[in-house]
Amino acid sequence: NAGVMQNPRHLVRRRGQEARLRCSPMKGHSHVYWYRQLPEEGLKFMVYLQKENIIDESGMPKERFSAEFPKEGPSILRIQQVVRGDSAAYFCASSPVPSAGANVLTFGAGSRLTVL
Amino acid sequence: ELKVEQNPLFLSMQEGKNYTIYCNYSTTSDRLYWYRQDPGKSLESLFVLLSNGAVKQEGRLMASLDTKARLSTLHITAAVHDLSATYFCAVLPINTGNQFYFGTGTSLTVIP
Repeated sequence: NAGVMQNPRHLVRRRGQEARLRCSPMKGHSHVYWYRQLPEEGLKFMVYLQKENIIDESGMPKERFSAEFPKEGPSILRIQQVVRGDSAAYFCASSPVPSAGANVLTFGAGSRLTVL
Repeated sequence: ELKVEQNPLFLSMQEGKNYTIYCNYSTTSDRLYWYRQDPGKSLESLFVLLSNGAVKQEGRLMASLDTKARLSTLHITAAVHDLSATYFCAVLPINTGNQFYFGTGTSLTVIP
């Protein structure tokens, strides 16, 4: 069981470029979450997705950010026209179908974006 | 606005001492999670507390949940250097579509 796989682990972009972060959930998990962590801060919820469906995107900035979780392939967090303030660690987590059980989030290793 | 607050934010303690980290939340929930994060690393699940009065222990760490007070504690007994990390609590509110809310984190440094 490979766990939650994120790539790239480190990404450097210049202002105005696009950043694409990918996340493959744990086997058997159908729900994906994206969180952003700024230096010395906690995790901020961005978006929660199922396959082909955005469940909750209330934490996503209104512009430049988008997320998808297609029927085939990983979930992708896309940031267009990056600015320096986008520099952060982006964590993906997955969980199984919500149920009465523990429903623990399993996190990936994170993708650290640096905008020059 | 839903809030999950931890205190202290920063904690420096000597090896062998005891201390408690507090997690207060402002919503109705019966599920509380504790995670550990080492510098530059991902989050590792420590405890899942699923009901009022739940208590879980693992080694020198013990977590408890009081859903009526909307409070969870993470107690550290006889701290050792290996416990140095940032600890996050997370709440899964009832009827919010499975969105987890994380606390601000407590950065713990254990001094030899």
